[in-house]
Amino acid sequence: GENVEQHPSTLSVQEGDSAVIKCTYSDSASNYFPWYKQELGKGPQLIIDIRSNVGEKKDQRIAVTLNKTAKHFSLHITETQPEDSAVYFCAAIRDQAGTALIFGKGTTLSVSS
Amino acid sequence: ETGVTQTPRHLVMGMTNKKSLKCEQHLGHNAMYWYKQSAKKPLELMFVYSLEERVENNSVPSRFSPECPNSSHLFLHLHTLQPEDSALYLCASSQVAGADTQYFGPGTRLTVL
Repeated sequence: GENVEQHPSTLSVQEGDSAVIKCTYSDSASNYFPWYKQELGKGPQLIIDIRSNVGEKKDQRIAVTLNKTAKHFSLHITETQPEDSAVYFCAAIRDQAGTALIFGKGTTLSVSS
Repeated sequence: ETGVTQTPRHLVMGMTNKKSLKCEQHLGHNAMYWYKQSAKKPLELMFVYSLEERVENNSVPSRFSPECPNSSHLFLHLHTLQPEDSALYLCASSQVAGADTQYFGPGTRLTVL
């Protein structure tokens, strides 16, 4: 089955710096990779996702890159702000009935002003 | 009411109690999920329902019993739980089961005494 490894587990940056979180997956058939942000007391919220037919996707300050050969994908946040502080989860899944998202263990991002 | 809602938000129960968690999605989705989130662990998928039929059961103990009466509602019935079952229980929904964006509710924080 699929296994997703996420690094680092914690990340501290200064406001305005960039933050990068990396995930690797084991199932080469996985083709959908979402990223979720979870703030304290809330459920995870989707912030960006990418499918295996593209290598990069960007939405304002957030971007995700995918390297299918190496089986890893990364979340990039530029110009970080204190409100970016949260736990971020990556996930992977193959497009097959009955399968489910496999999540990484999460990265706690702290942005200090 | 929009998105995915869960009630109650907090629940404290003894090991001999019977209680139920409720989830409702207002997105017109056909798939619903229960996840368990414990400290320092990845999100653990418990159950998946697609069009009101259970499609995945990840070896969850029988003291957790799901029910999906229609595509908008999902319940998790709890009985004779153990202290190690204390966790945040998250409900999610997606248009279809599989490689599709999942939308999470805020979760129910469960404490078993």
